[in-house]
Amino acid sequence: GAVVSQHPSWVICKSGTSVKIECRSLDFQATTMFWYRQFPKQSLMLMATSNEGSKATYEQGVEKDKFLINHASLTLSTLTVTSAHPEDSSFYICSARPPLAGVDEQFFGPGTRLTVL
Amino acid sequence: KQEVTQIPAALSVPEGENLVLNCSFTDSAIYNLQWFRQDPGKGLTSLLLIQSSQREQTSGRLNASLDKSSGRSTLYIAASQPGDSATYLCAVKGGETSGSRLTFGEGTQLTVNP
Repeated sequence: GAVVSQHPSWVICKSGTSVKIECRSLDFQATTMFWYRQFPKQSLMLMATSNEGSKATYEQGVEKDKFLINHASLTLSTLTVTSAHPEDSSFYICSARPPLAGVDEQFFGPGTRLTVL
Repeated sequence: KQEVTQIPAALSVPEGENLVLNCSFTDSAIYNLQWFRQDPGKGLTSLLLIQSSQREQTSGRLNASLDKSSGRSTLYIAASQPGDSATYLCAVKGGETSGSRLTFGEGTQLTVNP
């Protein structure tokens, strides 16, 4: 159980376009999902916390107008990178936490590799 | 601000060797600590989660210990195999100013040579 999927697994786009990445919890409902980005040879950096039915909470330094997060249902959160530029190229990983008492663990998706040309 | 450091950054060992990966964190007010494995270009696989009230967790050939007061954790891998080659990430949840966020270390890249 506790499987999280992401789609697409990789995407290449032209500079200036927008890209949407989906994160789904397949076998549990997640009121909270998290979005991370990871640059090569570096660790994961939390970008934002996504709460179902409310606005996302962004970490300091993350532009909320550039990285749009929508948590429309208990099993789906989306991250849209607007007007993407080459510096946005990165590995984006989401995670989800089941809203169960005693379960304090995040389960991670397989990641999405974004390359902006 | 919580900071997590992992030592060494990279490790290469022959197959069969026992090894220890180290993780330290600056703020001991944590809820839990988790060890993950990441294969190249892939997501994270959770290996072990230690609650702040626990001192160790074991799963198969893996044993993780936690010394919360000194801000340290170790991941012990027994009888290493080539399939253990991956990057191992340590992450802590919590800290005075980190709330419920997970803060990750930069990882230890492990290579087990046949």
